[in-house]
Amino acid sequence: DAKTTQPTSMDCAEGRAANLPCNHSTISGNEYVYWYRQIHSQGPQYIIHGLKNNETNEMASLIITEDRKSSTLILPHATLRDTAVYYCISYRGTSGSRLTFGEGTQLTVNP
Amino acid sequence: KAGVTQTPRYLIKTRGQQVTLSCSPISGHRSVSWYQQTPGQGLQFLFEYFSETQRNKGNFPGRFSGRQFSNSRSEMNVSTLELGDSALYLCASSLGVDRVGSPLHFGNGTRLTVT
Repeated sequence: DAKTTQPTSMDCAEGRAANLPCNHSTISGNEYVYWYRQIHSQGPQYIIHGLKNNETNEMASLIITEDRKSSTLILPHATLRDTAVYYCISYRGTSGSRLTFGEGTQLTVNP
Repeated sequence: KAGVTQTPRYLIKTRGQQVTLSCSPISGHRSVSWYQQTPGQGLQFLFEYFSETQRNKGNFPGRFSGRQFSNSRSEMNVSTLELGDSALYLCASSLGVDRVGSPLHFGNGTRLTVT
């Protein structure tokens, strides 16, 4: 599974878009990019994933660069409840894979 | 659709005791994985079950074991508890081992404290 790097922390004003970057320059062709977030003392929450194309769901949008070496998670209108640690991981997505969460990005949404 | 359910939510045990944690996956999900999360070590893979068979195992001692039932529900057991076993134990479910791209969905975990 490819290693990912993310900024340690980011701040965002409530109501504004939060753009969280992730570098996965060693990603393999069959690996997906997944985003999870974790609020203290809760389990990681799945947000979105993609392979090549940009993706959007009710929670967020995922923009993957054409060379697939980086991606950006976009929370279009951040709320205080979006304050969490966000993890970007890249793996093939078969259940046999062993997830490795790095340090993630601590996103703080300020009022 | 109900999410992954883990019970109990909190548990306090003393050294030497054993503990059993339970996980009910999302309906239709046949794969269940277990992880240990600690502040120092992060998220570490314990094992994965699919169709009642252990498919993968992490680097944990034999004191850690698990099983999966025919309804996909899973349990993990830790025997002879040590202080270092204090952690958040997370269960995650997904559709199955051959479903490439299928995301894992986590429960809220069981917080185990060993005194």
